[in-house]
Amino acid sequence: RKEVEQDPGPFNVPEGATVAFNCTYSNSASQSFFWYRQDCRKEPKLLMSVYSSGNEDGRFTAQLNRASQYISLLIRDSKLSDSATYLCVVNKASGTYKYIFGTGTRLKVLA
Amino acid sequence: DAGITQSPRYKITETGRQVTLMCHQTWSHSYMFWYRQDLGHGLRLIYYSAAADITDKGEVPDGYVVSRSKTENFPLTLESATRSQTSVYFCASSERETGPIAKNIQYFGAGTRLSVL
Repeated sequence: RKEVEQDPGPFNVPEGATVAFNCTYSNSASQSFFWYRQDCRKEPKLLMSVYSSGNEDGRFTAQLNRASQYISLLIRDSKLSDSATYLCVVNKASGTYKYIFGTGTRLKVLA
Repeated sequence: DAGITQSPRYKITETGRQVTLMCHQTWSHSYMFWYRQDLGHGLRLIYYSAAADITDKGEVPDGYVVSRSKTENFPLTLESATRSQTSVYFCASSERETGPIAKNIQYFGAGTRLSVL
């Protein structure tokens, strides 16, 4: 089993739709969770950190479910500019600076 | 605000040659990282450094060498390039954070596309 698993997609959704991605992780000791966005042939950029209580940033909502060991990302009112690959990132263990990146979920928002 | 820069952005080399990829950050971040990204794989950690003169292996260190004589620079050297090292290489940096909500966010350079022929 991979340490971090994501559905590769692509998720093709119309503008204005709501779309959600999940990411599962295997190490129950992981403490830090992030969603990064990566545009084609560009570097990953932080979209948002994921906090235990869940957090929202505009149209984006991130949730953490420790019992089932997954994090989720919800995007509301999708924009064409949201088209990208979304990377799930989890730290390897508590207190470590080593991070495991998922292979990413590709989102295409269609006009 | 230069941030983190990588050079060269593109490199073509031949099997057996030595290649050095450069990474420079202006934030004085303690941590620096080298990743490679290949189709079908997430970013995989090659080496990381917690401070000047402190480096450690990541998931895929074989065939690579790093050094960190200054906080701001973290070069990655392929001692004898092989075709399997054709990849996109990303450097990242992170500040050392402590406390219960420390997040240690990583900031990435634009990447170096390396082709080994």
